Amino acid sequence: DGGITQSPKYLFRKEGQNVTLSCEQNLNHDAMYWYRQDPGQGLRLIYYSQIVNDFQKGDIAEGYSVSREKKESFPLTVTSAQKNPTAFYLCASSIEEGYPYNEQFFGPGTRLTVL
Amino acid sequence: GENVEQHPSTLSVQEGDSAVIKCTYSDSASNYFPWYKQELGKRPQLIIDIRSNVGEKKDQRIAVTLNKTAKHFSLHITETQPEDSAVYFCAASMGTQGGSEKLVFGKGTKLTVNP
Repeated sequence: DGGITQSPKYLFRKEGQNVTLSCEQNLNHDAMYWYRQDPGQGLRLIYYSQIVNDFQKGDIAEGYSVSREKKESFPLTVTSAQKNPTAFYLCASSIEEGYPYNEQFFGPGTRLTVL
Repeated sequence: GENVEQHPSTLSVQEGDSAVIKCTYSDSASNYFPWYKQELGKRPQLIIDIRSNVGEKKDQRIAVTLNKTAKHFSLHITETQPEDSAVYFCAASMGTQGGSEKLVFGKGTKLTVNP
């Protein structure tokens, strides 16, 4: 299970609190992604970053924020503005050039529950 | 933007039978189509992928076909085994402003292989 890691595995939050989910990769990948997974909804893109110090909103960015200060790290903050944050969060990474171009490698996920 | 439709949402087969999952996509510029397998509570794992310059790819019991004209692609699993039971996701690549590509996922198919 090396390569891309996420922590914690389980996270509980009280309403109104911000929480930060960690994602680290040692694959030397340029691009990193955050997805949210709900039952029956598949994987929906929250944010992605193709290069350090740059990131783009995905389809459901409202209530989330990210940073990309290092190539290896792409933390996701779930803010109190996210109305329904309980979900399974997956981080992924991929190379930008060369083989296997476009293939995304996923971390083990963090299950966030709002109490 | 890209839209990926996946069918069926659930599929139940007897051990040894074949299983077929179909996806359609909307962006004719998509050129990369991966399939992921996700077991309960685990990360998605790439099982096979295909790029737009080929029409079919096979890896042991798993095959993927691509029809670019009709904009659909399918996953075929032969001689199914109970360990094939999982949720399967298709995805299609989509261009971004930065020039690289992101993935748009279908909503998943829950496959159950009955012994």
